[in-house]
Amino acid sequence: DTGVSQNPRHKITKRGQNVTFRCDPISEHNRLYWYRQTLGQGPEFLTYFQNEAQLEKSRLLSDRFSAERPKGSFSTLEIQRTEQGDSAMYLCASRTPQGGVHEQYFGPGTRLTVT
Amino acid sequence: AQSVSQHNHHVILSEAASLELGCNYSYGGTVNLFWYVQYPGQHLQLLLKYFSGDPLVKGIKGFEAEFIKSKFSFNLRKPSVQWSDTAEYFCAVKYSSASKIIFGSGTRLSIRP
Repeated sequence: DTGVSQNPRHKITKRGQNVTFRCDPISEHNRLYWYRQTLGQGPEFLTYFQNEAQLEKSRLLSDRFSAERPKGSFSTLEIQRTEQGDSAMYLCASRTPQGGVHEQYFGPGTRLTVT
Repeated sequence: AQSVSQHNHHVILSEAASLELGCNYSYGGTVNLFWYVQYPGQHLQLLLKYFSGDPLVKGIKGFEAEFIKSKFSFNLRKPSVQWSDTAEYFCAVKYSSASKIIFGSGTRLSIRP
């Protein structure tokens, strides 16, 4: 068990560019979550997958954001036409399919800076 | 609305002092409660969790938390802190009606050696 991994760890981009982040969950974890964390705040939920199905999206996830998990394993989060307000840490977490066990395991995050 | 409040934004203690960090959540039915910790430069790690049963929950590194249902609280405690406890602490709640975890804004703990 190598834990949740995220790539890249840091991304600097110019306003208006598109960026894509990747998350590899713990193997056999069928549930995957994306969160966004800004300075001085706790993580805020963005979206959630169970296997390949995207089951919930936050209102924070504007039309410029899209997430996929095509084969039910890794996931990608794409932000189109980035804005300075998108600068944040993007966190991925995964969870076992076992019923009643709700703890989520977090990755190291991808820090996005939009200049 | 479902929410979590952490009242202390920054706590500064000396080594060996006792710690209590407050956490309150809004009413929303059955809950699972968590405390996560983020050490400098590291990712979020689970400190302890409450799902059911004994409301006094023990976690790693000597931390414990007490679920008081009547007060909608889940305060984190440690009888004697160490310099290595310097970190940011996040209280979080999962309501049974939802799939996501809702986090508080965090409490930064600084320990004077």
